[in-house]
Order: sequence, then structure tokens, then C-alpha cells
Amino acid sequence: DGGITQSPKYLFRKEGQNVTLSCEQNLNHDAMYWYRQDPGQGLRLIYYSQIVNDFQKGDIAEGYSVSREKKESFPLTVTSAQKNPTAFYLCASMGGRITEAFFGQGTRLTVV
Amino acid sequence: AQSVTQLDSHVSVSEGTPVLLRCNYSSSYSPSLFWYVQHPNKGLQLLLKYTSAATLVKGINGFEAEFKKSETSFHLTKPSAHMSDAAEYFCVVSVGNDYGGSQGNLIFGKGTKLSVKP
Repeated sequence: DGGITQSPKYLFRKEGQNVTLSCEQNLNHDAMYWYRQDPGQGLRLIYYSQIVNDFQKGDIAEGYSVSREKKESFPLTVTSAQKNPTAFYLCASMGGRITEAFFGQGTRLTVV
Repeated sequence: AQSVTQLDSHVSVSEGTPVLLRCNYSSSYSPSLFWYVQHPNKGLQLLLKYTSAATLVKGINGFEAEFKKSETSFHLTKPSAHMSDAAEYFCVVSVGNDYGGSQGNLIFGKGTKLSVKP
């Protein structure tokens, strides 16, 4: 069954800690994306990668980092430099002849 | 520059009545346009897409949208609302990628929350 999987579903972070959100896809898609969602603000692009070993900053990359060592995986690290990390994070992928994005089920990160 | 404007942040309808969610876009190219639906604490699910074929696009769950180039609009409609339609809806435009392909970045509207009253 092909799809895109985010884990964990819920994550709690203490102030000053780095945390890593996982995103894995078995759709053989080249492009992968991370979005942050806050109430009333829609989805904002954090980072994207259109090919393995390459990634680009989105609109709100400060305080975040990513890697793309494998086609299937695009983990997002929320660093201690991100001052307001509490949000819902969505990962997506796109590729081949398909023009739409496929989304994971999201990770809700809360700072405690 | 590409942009998407969803004209209503919140729409409320009664069950069994028509739904209209409005979306206007701005794009320098022939755009690919999408409507996604999101239920609380879930990911986004594709409702329908326009990719320069037929201008009237039918999607899942009885939704459809019409691409009107002259009005730069892509409004989402459904003849009869169901309680299960209550969710947030996002209009999205796709722009080309840096490698010349069609899959690139997505520009999201801010979303329209649909409420359905019994």
C-alpha cells in the first residue's frame, strides 16, 4: 500500500531541545515538502526538496533544518532556535506524471 | 507572482443546501489548481484538480469546480451539503519546479472552514 507516513502523531518538546519529525514515502516521488500549519494562517512552506541530496528553504525556514539522503525520507528537525514551534506539521510528496501532492497525517508538536 | 485568495474564511450552510467556496488565483502561467479538504488533526485529502483539460472538474464526494480563466476563479461547489462535509477546505495552485518539470511548489489559500447545520 503506497503512501506517506509521518511520525510521531503527537510530540512534546521542552524548551531548548531539538526534535526531529519523521516523514517517509514509498510512492517513488522525487519532490518532498514540509509545511507548518497554524490556525487561520493556512499552510506555510518550511523546506522542500526536489531531488535527493538537494533541498531549498521555503518561506519560514529559520529555526528548522532538513536532510534528504534517501529518496524515501525527508526528516525535519525543529531546533532550539525556533522560538514558537508549537504547531501542526505536514509533510507532502509529489512526483512522476502525477501533478498533485500527497500528504501525511501530520505531527502535532507542543512545547511544554 | 503566483497567489491564491480564498474569499471566505468561514462558510455556514444547512444540511441539504448548496455549498459554494470561492477561490481566485493569480498566475503567470497556465496553472494547475487543486482543492483539498482537511478534517481536524488530519492530513489533506485531494478533492479534485484542474490541469488544463476540461474546465469543469468533478471530484470526490459530489464536489465539483469550474476553472474560469477570464475571472481567474476556481470556485468549489456541491449541490447538497452533508454533515460529513464539515471541514476546512484549501484552494491550491501549483507552480513549476527548478528543474523544468511540472511538479513544483504549492501555493495555498488560507482556507475556508465549512460548517454544516442540521
